[in-house]
Amino acid sequence: DTAVSQTPKYLVTQMGNDKSIKCEQNLGHDTMYWYKQDSKKFLKIMFSYNNKELIINETVPNRFSPKSPDKAHLNLHINSLELGDSAVYFCASSQGGATWEKLFFGSGTQLSVL
Amino acid sequence: SQQGEEDPQALSIQEGENATMNCSYKTSINNLQWYRQNSGRGLVHLILIRSNEREKHSGRLRVTLDTSKKSSSLLITASRAADTASYFCARDYNTDKLIFGTGTRLQVFP
Repeated sequence: DTAVSQTPKYLVTQMGNDKSIKCEQNLGHDTMYWYKQDSKKFLKIMFSYNNKELIINETVPNRFSPKSPDKAHLNLHINSLELGDSAVYFCASSQGGATWEKLFFGSGTQLSVL
Repeated sequence: SQQGEEDPQALSIQEGENATMNCSYKTSINNLQWYRQNSGRGLVHLILIRSNEREKHSGRLRVTLDTSKKSSSLLITASRAADTASYFCARDYNTDKLIFGTGTRLQVFP
């Protein structure tokens, strides 16, 4: 079983559309994250949730809205997609959210906005 | 850059050679982690080093931390073609989040 799974793996869409990326972890972790990796491979944290509560909310346009229905799931909804949103989005989880804990990453969702 | 630097940006070596990658940071840290990313995949944790540690080993990996120079190095000994990947360090800067950089792209030729 995949520890952190995210769907879809590829997402191609037009500017202005709304899309969602889903993430699930079966590790029993309390904390989940969304990271964005741009074309230069720079990986930037967007959000983190601990037990369904928002902990980290970086300077991200409010078109991006994370939702955590339970601690095993963290979905990312993006409204009014823009060209600059094209990137690879990674979901990750860790046991409690401390910075000495390992992050477990999903395999990524490559979003292409045309 | 604000998050620190990883260098070199790219490194090409032959199988059997050692690969050294460096990671610098700007202000003090509690923890620093190294990750590997294979092409088209998510990152995989390799090793954690805490600010009060100077060196850690894991198999063919050796990580050092020099807090006076604000830098860490990852050494992969006797490299293999399967080590071809991007390698990232992540620093916490005494906050509750890990800050990644742009990584070092390692190519190991058979």
